[in-house]
Amino acid sequence: GQQVMQIPQYQHVQEGEDFTTYCNSSTTLSNIQWYKQRPGGHPVFLIQLVKSGEVKKQKRLTFQFGEAKKNSSLHITATQTTDVGTYFCAGQTQLVMNAGNMLTFGGGTRLMVKP
Amino acid sequence: NAGVTQTPKFRILKIGQSMTLQCTQDMNHNYMYWYRQDPGMGLKLIYYSVGAGITDKGEVPNGYNVSRSTTEDFPLRLELAAPSQTSVYFCASSYLGQGPYEQYFGPGTRLTVT
Repeated sequence: GQQVMQIPQYQHVQEGEDFTTYCNSSTTLSNIQWYKQRPGGHPVFLIQLVKSGEVKKQKRLTFQFGEAKKNSSLHITATQTTDVGTYFCAGQTQLVMNAGNMLTFGGGTRLMVKP
Repeated sequence: NAGVTQTPKFRILKIGQSMTLQCTQDMNHNYMYWYRQDPGMGLKLIYYSVGAGITDKGEVPNGYNVSRSTTEDFPLRLELAAPSQTSVYFCASSYLGQGPYEQYFGPGTRLTVT
């Protein structure tokens, strides 16, 4: 079955340093989504990437989707304590009506920021 | 809109007991999902539904059952609870329309089986 691997599993950074998490799928994806989960909270949608080579920015966050649509990355510039949490990528294969269109989640990267 | 709501927030079960985790969404989403998240791990899909009356197994369905009699509700039933079912359970919903195809998650139910 489809697998989505995410590295690193954990990352400690000093506030102000940059952070990157990488996501790799065993199969070609229709789209990839990124979610953030604060400690004790639930996953919250950040963004969806659909096109090959797509790059999207949200303030200090930059998301990339690989040319082959099998990998993705999230880069945070100048981390802040509010960035603390676990970042998950989730891959979705071909979208088909009434087929569930499940997301396969990566294991997540837990980001810890030292003030 | 309340979004996705789940009850209870916390529960402790003894081995062999049964319970139902409730999930309701008020966004008129056609798709609903149940996930479990073990400590420090990602989310694993238990069951999903593409609409009222239609459900199907996900990656880890053993020990669970679901039903979907209405668009809004998607309860998850645990029969004969086992310690391996200690986890945080998240319900989610989504709408397959124009996109993005994001999933909206409920706050979760933290279940301990002892």
